[in-house]
Amino acid sequence: QKEVEQDPGPLSVPEGAIVSLNCTYSNSAFQYFMWYRQYSRKGPELLMYTYSSGNKEDGRFTAQVDKSSKYISLFIRDSQPSDSATYLCAMSQYGNKLVFGAGTILRVKS
Amino acid sequence: DAGITQSPRYKITETGRQVTLMCHQTWSHSYMFWYRQDLGHGLRLIYYSAAADITDKGEVPDGYVVSRSKTENFPLTLESATRSQTSVYFCATLWPGQETQYFGPGTRLLVL
Repeated sequence: QKEVEQDPGPLSVPEGAIVSLNCTYSNSAFQYFMWYRQYSRKGPELLMYTYSSGNKEDGRFTAQVDKSSKYISLFIRDSQPSDSATYLCAMSQYGNKLVFGAGTILRVKS
Repeated sequence: DAGITQSPRYKITETGRQVTLMCHQTWSHSYMFWYRQDLGHGLRLIYYSAAADITDKGEVPDGYVVSRSKTENFPLTLESATRSQTSVYFCATLWPGQETQYFGPGTRLLVL
């Protein structure tokens, strides 16, 4: 069993939809949680960063962490075609050892 | 230009050849990392470095060698390339205080 599980998709939604992306993990020591967005043939770029449990909102993006369930989510409101990318969850006990999910491919259709 | 640069961006080589991928950062961050990205596996850590002259193995280090004589550079060498090392390689640094990693643009390597 992988340390971080993420549904690879692809997830296809119409423009304007609310998107929910999720990861589960097994290591209860993880305390830093991140979401990266990766466009085709580009490097991953940091989208959201959360320490420990709770919610964090940034514009159309909301990250949630539920440490009791070992479950993290990224919500995208009013999704746009420009949101089409691969979304990678990542987590660590300390920032120097990130463990990544396999990534979910998102396609937003106009 | 500030940030992380990787060179070459694309490389085709043959089995058995030595290949060196370069990574350069302008921030002087202490930690640097090398990952490979493959379909179905996501990003896997090859090697990382906490500072100049300090390196350590990651999840998939076999077949790779790293060095770090200067803080800003972290080259990755494939001593004898194999087809299984065909992948996209990313370099990253750790932003101090944020515990988050920032990635370079990647190098696409094809081993024939």
